[in-house]
Amino acid sequence: GAVVSQHPSRVICKSGTSVKIECRSLDFQATTMFWYRQFPKQSLMLMATSNEGSKATYEQGVEKDKFLINHASLTLSTLTVTSAHPEDSSFYICSARGLADTQYFGPGTRLTVL
Amino acid sequence: DAKTTQPPSMDCAEGRAANLPCNHSTISGNEYVYWYRQIHSQGPQYIIHGLKNNETNEMASLIITEDRKSSTLILPHATLRDTAVYYCIVRVAQGAQKLVFGQGTRLTINP
Repeated sequence: GAVVSQHPSRVICKSGTSVKIECRSLDFQATTMFWYRQFPKQSLMLMATSNEGSKATYEQGVEKDKFLINHASLTLSTLTVTSAHPEDSSFYICSARGLADTQYFGPGTRLTVL
Repeated sequence: DAKTTQPPSMDCAEGRAANLPCNHSTISGNEYVYWYRQIHSQGPQYIIHGLKNNETNEMASLIITEDRKSSTLILPHATLRDTAVYYCIVRVAQGAQKLVFGQGTRLTINP
């Protein structure tokens, strides 16, 4: 139980294009999902908190117009990186709040912007 | 949320118990201790959490000191697949509380 999936697992795109990453809770409903970013040899950094049916809450320093988050259902949240640039290349990881408020993480999406 | 302190790296022989310490001297009464691990290029995996009593599940045991200022995660029979970065996090359990990751402990299991 408590499985979270992400799609795609890996994406390469050209600079200036937009990329959408999906996060799904497969066997439970999640009113809250979280999006993290991880650069090489660094720890996870929280980008935003996504609440079903309402606007996401972004951490300080994260551009909400660049990283669009939509949480339209209890099992799906999406992160769209708009006008991606090489510095946006990173490992993006989502998590979903499950039973006993424990967070369960997806496998991550590696984004490479050329 | 309270801050945690972990050693940056540890080594353990395969088959032995791996004991990972964590200091959280400023923990509040309503904050739980959570442990996650991250194997290279994967998302973090939940291991265990506890408030004040010792906890055990199929993956590990969590020992919390009586004053709750520190804890130890125990992997009873470490295997090569347990090589990962282990994160100790303290936070309030209730509600949509975010997790703040520190640098963790890089545990290497040696054959």
